[in-house]
Amino acid sequence: DTAVSQTPKYLVTQMGNDKSIKCEQNLGHDTMYWYKQDSKKFLKIMFSYNNKELIINETVPNRFSPKSPDKAHLNLHINSLELGDSAVYFCASSGGTRSLPEQFFGPGTRLTVL
Amino acid sequence: AQSVTQLGSHVSVSEGALVLLRCNYSSSVPPYLFWYVQYPNQGLQLLLKYTSAATLVKGINGFEAEFKKSETSFHLTKPSAHMSDAAEYFCAVSEGGSARQLTFGSGTQLTVLP
Repeated sequence: DTAVSQTPKYLVTQMGNDKSIKCEQNLGHDTMYWYKQDSKKFLKIMFSYNNKELIINETVPNRFSPKSPDKAHLNLHINSLELGDSAVYFCASSGGTRSLPEQFFGPGTRLTVL
Repeated sequence: AQSVTQLGSHVSVSEGALVLLRCNYSSSVPPYLFWYVQYPNQGLQLLLKYTSAATLVKGINGFEAEFKKSETSFHLTKPSAHMSDAAEYFCAVSEGGSARQLTFGSGTQLTVLP
């Protein structure tokens, strides 16, 4: 059983387009995250959602918007894609505040903007 | 504020040799510490975690790490490297609590030479 899944695995698109990446977790976790991994493998947190409420929003352009229809899903929508958005995006999840803060990661979505 | 420093962006060892990957952290409270491994084109997998129960932590695939508060370190070791250990390794710190945020180091690429 896949714990954290993402679709699509690869996404190639033109500058200016709008795209979405979907994430689902079946671990019953309360918190989900989106990370961006750049070409140097550096991981930066973009968003986290706890019980459908945004609790962290690092300095991410407002072209990026997380959407969580329920606590098992956290989708990432990106408007007006730019070349610099090319990266690998990872979804992750973790349990509630009474559990350890370890996070479980999805397989990643490699976004290429042409 | 929490931060992580991984010394050495690239480490090469011969097969069968000791693996030592360095991690130093900064945290204003007793931290949770993690090591994750990322194989090519895959997501991050948890190797081991420190949660204050024991200073020497054993993980998967023969890896272990020792928490040294006086040195603010959490170095990762493995007595004998295997070719399959070649991957990117990330150290991460969390102060826990409601934020649940992980701060990652910049990663260390481990190469295992035959």
